[in-house]
Amino acid sequence: VQLVESGGGLARPGGSLRLSCAASGFNFGNAWMNWVRQAPGKGPEWVGHIRKKGDGGTTDYAAPVKGRFTISRDDSRTTVYLQMNSLKVEDTAVYYCVTMDFRWGQGTLVTVSS
Amino acid sequence: DIVMTQSPDSLAVSLGERATITCKSSQSILSSSNNKNFLAWFQQKPGQPPKLLIYWASTRESGVPDRFRGSGSGTDFTLTISSLQAEDVAVYYCQQYYTTLWTFGQGTKVEIK
Repeated sequence: VQLVESGGGLARPGGSLRLSCAASGFNFGNAWMNWVRQAPGKGPEWVGHIRKKGDGGTTDYAAPVKGRFTISRDDSRTTVYLQMNSLKVEDTAVYYCVTMDFRWGQGTLVTVSS
Repeated sequence: DIVMTQSPDSLAVSLGERATITCKSSQSILSSSNNKNFLAWFQQKPGQPPKLLIYWASTRESGVPDRFRGSGSGTDFTLTISSLQAEDVAVYYCQQYYTTLWTFGQGTKVEIK
């Protein structure tokens, strides 16, 4: 299993970023995928997940990001995305994609600062 | 949401001695359908993602040394490192997956005394 996140960087408050997670080594189309973030010096925080197409491909989100973040997937590219809008300083964190059996990518750092 | 509370926040243990971390969930995470506890333990070292150690509260992930042991049921769980090694210095997290809205403990930092 390999998960490679990309797309992190510096964003201004109110700005947007789109993260990607390229997956390989497992049946991606049959997998729910999660995004988990970890602010500096803090514990992990679940952000949201997307179900496999067979389960409707629907999404759920944690309360702090609901309405601002959107998870999508492209099974043909075995990639899951996290679109982050209306970013806040408190969204600063390393963002990881994680499988339902707890395989983690290396993460990508998002810094929200003016 | 299910709240996960770990204790202590940090502990210092001599090499070769036992380290014990507890994790308490705000509601039972024992499933009546499969009689399993939906609890995982992770180890995290600086600059690395969390690494899975234990799932179903007591099943060791492949390759994890047998000095790591998970126990407990319902709302109370324990991770025990039976003989602390230098490479075990890390932060340890518990996580519930009883609901698909995962929640994590705040972490326990393990150091060498």
